[in-house]
Parts: sequence; C-alpha cells; structure tokens
Amino acid sequence: ILNVEQSPQSLHVQEGDSTNFTCSFPSSNFYALHWYRWETAKSPEALFVMTLNGDEKKKGRISATLNTKEGYSYLYIKGSQPEDSATYLCAFTGGGNKLTFGTGTQLKVEL
Amino acid sequence: EPEVTQTPSHQVTQMGQEVILRCVPISNHLYFYWYRQILGQKVEFLVSFYNNEISEKSEIFDDQFSVERPDGSNFTLKIRSTKLEDSAMYFCASSGPGGTQNQPQHFGDGTRLSIL
Repeated sequence: ILNVEQSPQSLHVQEGDSTNFTCSFPSSNFYALHWYRWETAKSPEALFVMTLNGDEKKKGRISATLNTKEGYSYLYIKGSQPEDSATYLCAFTGGGNKLTFGTGTQLKVEL
Repeated sequence: EPEVTQTPSHQVTQMGQEVILRCVPISNHLYFYWYRQILGQKVEFLVSFYNNEISEKSEIFDDQFSVERPDGSNFTLKIRSTKLEDSAMYFCASSGPGGTQNQPQHFGDGTRLSIL
C-alpha cells in the first residue's frame, strides 16, 4: 500500500505571510508528483506536475521543489493572500496513471 | 478553458438501487478516471479507462461497479446495488495523450452520492 503523507494537516496564516507545506511519498518506483489546489465546492485545480529529482516549478507566488531520492516535495506560497485559502493536495504516481493522494493541507489566510 | 463536467451534482438513492454517475471529459483527452472521497478521508482512486477498456482498477472497484464510454463524449460510472458505504463524493477526471506521467489530470466538480 502506497503511503502519501502531507503536513501540516491545517495551517492558519496572516495575509502577507509566506508559508510552506510538505508532501512525503515512496522514493521507489517514482514517476511523478502532482500538486493540486482545491477550493470548497469546486474541482481540484492542477498546480504542478513534477518528474525530475531537483525539479523546481513556479506559478506566480506559488512554487514547489522535488526530492525523489528522499521522497518529499515542498510547496511554498510567498505573501499569502485570502484567495490562497484552499486545501492543497499532493498526489504520487509510481507507474500507470493512477494518482495516490495525500490527506491534504488546509490553508486559511486571514486578513 | 475546456473543463470536465459531471452530472448530477447531488444524487440521493435508496440502498440496493442502481445509480449512474455521468461525466463529460475534455474532448481531446484519451485517459479517463473515477475517484471518490468519503467524508473525512483521502481521495481514493477507483478506475482508469483508456482505449475503450479499463486499464487499472483498485480493490474498491468490485463487481458492483462498472464504467462505460457509450458514445464519443460521455463517461459513466454505474453502481449496481448501492450500499450505505458507497456514500461519497465521486470525481471524474481526464488527461491528455501523455497520460499522468507528465501532465495533470483535470477534475470535474464531483457528484455527491448519498445512500439512504
């Protein structure tokens, strides 16, 4: 059974704070690591697909890094805004097209 | 931007009844998926579908479940005889020609299935 873990489970930050959270996944049979942003009552929105060890990706104020040898990825949000409030999901694929999701990190950005 | 659409948004069904959840994937996508999330739990993979056949399925996807692509646009999930534990949010997703290894899956808004 593949275990994908995310921490923290939830996070409250003030507007303007920078924050980061962690996704850990099996380091063997790695194919790709996906990050999704999921707002309540909406569909999960793809942020990044990361495949190479050492990969860094950026989309506006959000960036992510990948370490496949030790099995973790970090997601960073710089200068958090209230509209960043969402659940951030990571998902691992170890071959095939099936995604194995973590539990998510619920981010709340307060004014 | 093209999107995955799912209907209905909420389905209430008596235990033992059959239910069909419908999805229209993004039109040029070739890989189709169903996931579910039971309240308070992780999103779980059910099945993937490519080239008109199931390419992978999880242990959850037993004989009570089936998928079909009846025409060029719809992708359906059928549960033959629903159980209370089938109550969950069901998500359809699709991805383009490269599969999941270098591109994302695109998700619909989900169908909330409530079994009474």
